[in-house]
Amino acid sequence: KAGVTQTPRYLIKTRGQQVTLSCSPISGHRSVSWYQQTPGQGLQFLFEYFSETQRNKGNFPGRFSGRQFSNSRSEMNVSTLELGDSALYLCASSRGAGSEDGYTFGSGTRLTVV
Amino acid sequence: ILNVEQSPQSLHVQEGDSTNFTCSFPSSNFYALHWYRWETAKSPEALFVMTLNGDEKKKGRISATLNTKEGYSYLYIKGSQPEDSATYLCASRSYNTDKLIFGTGTRLQVFP
Repeated sequence: KAGVTQTPRYLIKTRGQQVTLSCSPISGHRSVSWYQQTPGQGLQFLFEYFSETQRNKGNFPGRFSGRQFSNSRSEMNVSTLELGDSALYLCASSRGAGSEDGYTFGSGTRLTVV
Repeated sequence: ILNVEQSPQSLHVQEGDSTNFTCSFPSSNFYALHWYRWETAKSPEALFVMTLNGDEKKKGRISATLNTKEGYSYLYIKGSQPEDSATYLCASRSYNTDKLIFGTGTRLQVFP
């Protein structure tokens, strides 16, 4: 079966711009979570969505937002980009909220802000 | 323990050596503990999800144990092989925060 698909794979943006990242989960998975990874840091939790509802949000500024559609696909938006937003953004899907069956991760979007 | 902590940060072993890593997590309101393997240029891959105190899980040469009362989990690799080289991540979810929080990982390198 198809895995978790993230688009685009790579992105270069300038400071002040905004960006939208997309994540298509495995068919049948209704939960999508987003993480940010920067050098030296672990995976930092951004959001978790289940059935189009945001269940949880991490400690990120309001410039980071997301949503989930009825087909479980999710988007993440970052407005007014800063250099520190340069990171690998990973999304992960699971069948249900609570992730008892473990996450399946996408390949990530590498965002570079210049 | 307020965060998820992993030790050691990195490990270099010879092929054939057995090794183990530690994950410490908040024990209060514990819900689940995950282990993932993350190879370079790939996506993190789920190894185990454990929920019960005393749980032991095994997949081939890799096994894990869980102590929810004291808030730690061990990951063991028996007879390490070069293909085991990866970063091993643990993550904990508690009932009160309901977020899956990751540690910074243990980077394992196995030399032939």
